[in-house]
Amino acid sequence: AQSVAQPEDQVNVAEGNPLTVKCTYSVSGNPYLFWYVQYPNRGLQFLLKYITGDNLVKGSYGFEAEFNKSQTSFHLKKPSALVSDSALYFCAVRDPTTGGFKTIFGAGTRLFVKA
Amino acid sequence: EPEVTQTPSHQVTQMGQEVILRCVPISNHLYFYWYRQILGQKVEFLVSFYNNEISEKSEIFDDQFSVERPDGSNFTLKIRSTKLEDSAMYFCASSGTGVGEQFFGPGTRLTVL
Repeated sequence: AQSVAQPEDQVNVAEGNPLTVKCTYSVSGNPYLFWYVQYPNRGLQFLLKYITGDNLVKGSYGFEAEFNKSQTSFHLKKPSALVSDSALYFCAVRDPTTGGFKTIFGAGTRLFVKA
Repeated sequence: EPEVTQTPSHQVTQMGQEVILRCVPISNHLYFYWYRQILGQKVEFLVSFYNNEISEKSEIFDDQFSVERPDGSNFTLKIRSTKLEDSAMYFCASSGTGVGEQFFGPGTRLTVL
């Protein structure tokens, strides 16, 4: 069965510093991986995805993520954090071999960026 | 920019009542989804819908739940007899392809008393 783990409930970083939000996954086949962000009282917004190809994917708002198959990880990164990046971040995985479209979300990591 | 819309934004109902949550997906999308998020907890997959039928559903999506695309634009989630534990934020999403990112609506907060 597919699963996603976000080991950190919360990440604190100072504005201007690099940030990393961790994600590991478990699927039987090659995964489709996604990052979404949720601001208070809003729906989820897509940041980036990995389907195939280059392991480093770039997304919205300067975020990027690196797919690491051997470590089954897909960590979200940004070189220089902004206060406005403070939000709840969700990693998500889909196993294309199941034939359906079920997407499993991690528990979320709350990012606090301090000025 | 096209967006997914949901109505109502907040629904309060009595336990045992039926509720219908409504969604208008992005117009050229073909894949539709419902998720729920209990306050402070993870986003949980409920069901995916493609080609006018359910393509996959979770164990949460029992006989009390049903989905429908009644008129080619709306996508609805019906809960036949609500329970207290159905209180959550319900998100609708749509995608243009089966592998693409999903676009989420703002959610409907369901409160069951």
